[in-house]
Amino acid sequence: GQNIDQPTEMTATEGAIVQINCTYQTSGFNGLFWYQQHAGEAPTFLSYNVLDGLEEKGRFSSFLSRSKGYSYLLLKELQMKDSASYLCAVLDSNYQLIWGAGTKLIIKP
Amino acid sequence: DTAVSQTPKYLVTQMGNDKSIKCEQNLGHDTMYWYKQDSKKFLKIMFSYNNKELIINETVPNRFSPKSPDKAHLNLHINSLELGDSAVYFCASRPLAGGDTGELFFGEGSRLTVL
Repeated sequence: GQNIDQPTEMTATEGAIVQINCTYQTSGFNGLFWYQQHAGEAPTFLSYNVLDGLEEKGRFSSFLSRSKGYSYLLLKELQMKDSASYLCAVLDSNYQLIWGAGTKLIIKP
Repeated sequence: DTAVSQTPKYLVTQMGNDKSIKCEQNLGHDTMYWYKQDSKKFLKIMFSYNNKELIINETVPNRFSPKSPDKAHLNLHINSLELGDSAVYFCASRPLAGGDTGELFFGEGSRLTVL
């Protein structure tokens, strides 16, 4: 079966750095997405990786290793507004998005 | 202008009723989706429509029926509502179906509560 694993919850301090991991086992691979979802709101796109390596976008970076079935989202200089759920999703061989359950990130002052 | 809009945002109804949720996108996208997000926060795909053709139906009960009057609209109709149908339903759209890795644009969600 297809599976996306990510931690249920993480806590970090304002101004610090946090890394949210995602491992996946899917039927084929056509890219991996990270989405941010604030409570009661729709998910919003953060990043897309299809090649191995690190993609940097401001305070957020996303890394992919296809051979390991592994990705992480790195958040730097954490702000209180970064408190949200972070969803990992993989596009499989049929271009279907397979979603993880999300990681709830709690930022403390 | 809201890119993907869905109505109503909140819906409270009794078991056994029939209800509809509407979705419209003004992005000119070819593919639209309905997702269900339950209390465990998993996003589960329900339907996908590409140019008015159903291309995915993820073992959803036939009480749920998508209706697409045109490329810009994908409505969700639910018959004989059950308690387990309580969830947030998200509409989303993408530029192309297959062969493209365009990001999903989500509507704001419709929170359905069945009493």
